[in-house]
Amino acid sequence: GNSVTQMEGPVTLSEEAFLTINCTYTATGYPSLFWYVQYPGEGLQLLLKATKADDKGSNKGFEATYRKETTSFHLEKGSVQVSDSAVYFCALTVPGKLIFGQGTELSVKP
Amino acid sequence: DTAVSQTPKYLVTQMGNDKSIKCEQNLGHDTMYWYKQDSKKFLKIMFSYNNKELIINETVPNRFSPKSPDKAHLNLHINSLELGDSAVYFCASSQLGDGEQFFGPGTRLTVL
Repeated sequence: GNSVTQMEGPVTLSEEAFLTINCTYTATGYPSLFWYVQYPGEGLQLLLKATKADDKGSNKGFEATYRKETTSFHLEKGSVQVSDSAVYFCALTVPGKLIFGQGTELSVKP
Repeated sequence: DTAVSQTPKYLVTQMGNDKSIKCEQNLGHDTMYWYKQDSKKFLKIMFSYNNKELIINETVPNRFSPKSPDKAHLNLHINSLELGDSAVYFCASSQLGDGEQFFGPGTRLTVL
């Protein structure tokens, strides 16, 4: 079946540290892949996306590359800020819906 | 200009009651969704509608009944509320065939 697995949280980093949140997926066919972010008390916002193998999505300093050979879409940022503290969700599309990973909570300390 | 809006933002009610949550989108999208987010932040789709027609029902108890009066609105009615229904419910919309979905701010439902 189709599924998404993310690294367990919470992840706690100091400001300006390097961030990696791992995401791997299982899917039939070639889904589009997404990272969504949920700030405290808010709904989800699309952070970035990639629609085919080797595509790199990027936004606000975050990047993720669609790796078909390793079925991965890891999220990275070179220097995190306190304002990046949120829950991050990896997701893939199947016809008619998104399937989400379990979410990874990131806490950035000053 | 709010793209996807939900009301109410908070809903506290007793077990056994019936309640509704409303959702509206002004993006001109064809497809709308309801998701449930549990206390561990796990998100699961409940329903999706395309042009007022139900296309996905993810084995949700029939106490939950979505209604789409037009393609800009998708309401969720819940009968005989149970403690386990306590969660945050998110509405979302998209163009069919485009995976990107736009989410509302959520409705936090607490059943006492």
